[in-house]
Amino acid sequence: QKEVEQDPGPLSVPEGAIVSLNCTYSNSAFQYFMWYRQYSRKGPELLMYTYSSGNKEDGRFTAQVDKSSKYISLFIRDSQPSDSATYLCATGAGNQFYFGTGTSLTVIP
Amino acid sequence: SAVISQKPSRDICQRGTSLTIQCQVDSQVTMMFWYRQQPGQSLTLIATANQGSEATYESGFVIDKFPISRPNLTFSTLTVSNMSPEDSSIYLCSAEGGRGRYEQYFGPGTRLTVT
Repeated sequence: QKEVEQDPGPLSVPEGAIVSLNCTYSNSAFQYFMWYRQYSRKGPELLMYTYSSGNKEDGRFTAQVDKSSKYISLFIRDSQPSDSATYLCATGAGNQFYFGTGTSLTVIP
Repeated sequence: SAVISQKPSRDICQRGTSLTIQCQVDSQVTMMFWYRQQPGQSLTLIATANQGSEATYESGFVIDKFPISRPNLTFSTLTVSNMSPEDSSIYLCSAEGGRGRYEQYFGPGTRLTVT
């Protein structure tokens, strides 16, 4: 079993839609949860950081962690064409740190 | 946040040769990381480079194949040695942020093709 599982998509939505991106992880000891956004031919950029459970909101983005089900989500409200990118979840604890494979998102104008 | 630059941005190399990738950070950081990213796959950590000590390599990666230097707190290099077509990939460096490895800032990557 992989440490982090992420549906690769691709996901295609119309502009203005609410987008839900999800990952599952295997180790209940993981405490740190991140979402990175990667535009084509660019390096990943940190989008959201969450420690332990709960929600965190930043503008149109909301990160959600459910430790009971080992499930992490990123919601994008009012999606824009500029949100078209690959989104990678990441999690870990101690010296362990793992990325998901990324979900490719296209927002159609 | 840190700004990371990498050189070269891309290269095409012949098998059996070596390529050194440079990574520059605009601020002093303790930890830098080197990753490999292949299409459709997650980022794979090659090694963690701390200034003043030997790099720590992940399982499946060895120093003879991927020697790393970390001469100061703002710079690191990764060499891909004796290349084969299987080494064709994107190589990314990153630097830690305020939350250590849980807040990383990435360079734009080096796209390597080995023929």
